[in-house]
Amino acid sequence: QQPVQSPQAVILREGEDAVINCSSSKALYSVHWYRQKHGEAPVFLMILLKGGEQKGHEKISASFNEKKQQSSLYLTASQLSYSGTYFCGTASSGNTGKLIFGQGTTLQVKP
Amino acid sequence: EPEVTQTPSHQVTQMGQEVILRCVPISNHLYFYWYRQILGQKVEFLVSFYNNEISEKSEIFDDQFSVERPDGSNFTLKIRSTKLEDSAMYFCASTSYGYTFGSGTRLTVV
Repeated sequence: QQPVQSPQAVILREGEDAVINCSSSKALYSVHWYRQKHGEAPVFLMILLKGGEQKGHEKISASFNEKKQQSSLYLTASQLSYSGTYFCGTASSGNTGKLIFGQGTTLQVKP
Repeated sequence: EPEVTQTPSHQVTQMGQEVILRCVPISNHLYFYWYRQILGQKVEFLVSFYNNEISEKSEIFDDQFSVERPDGSNFTLKIRSTKLEDSAMYFCASTSYGYTFGSGTRLTVV
């Protein structure tokens, strides 16, 4: 089942912070986060594994609450380059299994 | 940085025609995927491929779809008889950890 992301859209000024949430009704093995700019492929940002390990981007952090099957992506001191659509992808088994993506959160950072 | 390469970038085809979308995954990756994205919508899983066989497929991936790894480097998605609703961006991805997506093939069925 598709994870649910919130909010659907965010507009920020440069330097402001944002949080994007991803919630699943299924038990999760891992949560991935991707950013997609218009007309381009999704780009990997971060993976969070069951058990707490995470790997990803320097200026972006995330959390994964396994019990609640929720993940949040934290974008701090946003830059214009952060603009795009953020997708969470969830895997129920193994970190190389299929991902089910949320509907996306559109982030627009203005000067 | 290693890339996943997809060709063509854009394909226009008539309804009922067969199309083959091509991908060259990252060479040391073992898992390969096809996803599609209808304009403005979420990225949808089609099929995963491991050890030269399909490991999982979605309900979208019906008998009209097939995948192959014909020569150890290319990874292809074939749609036998295209429908209007097959119009979408098709992404190939490979992974050893996080996914690396190719730049996509925009398929337009007319």
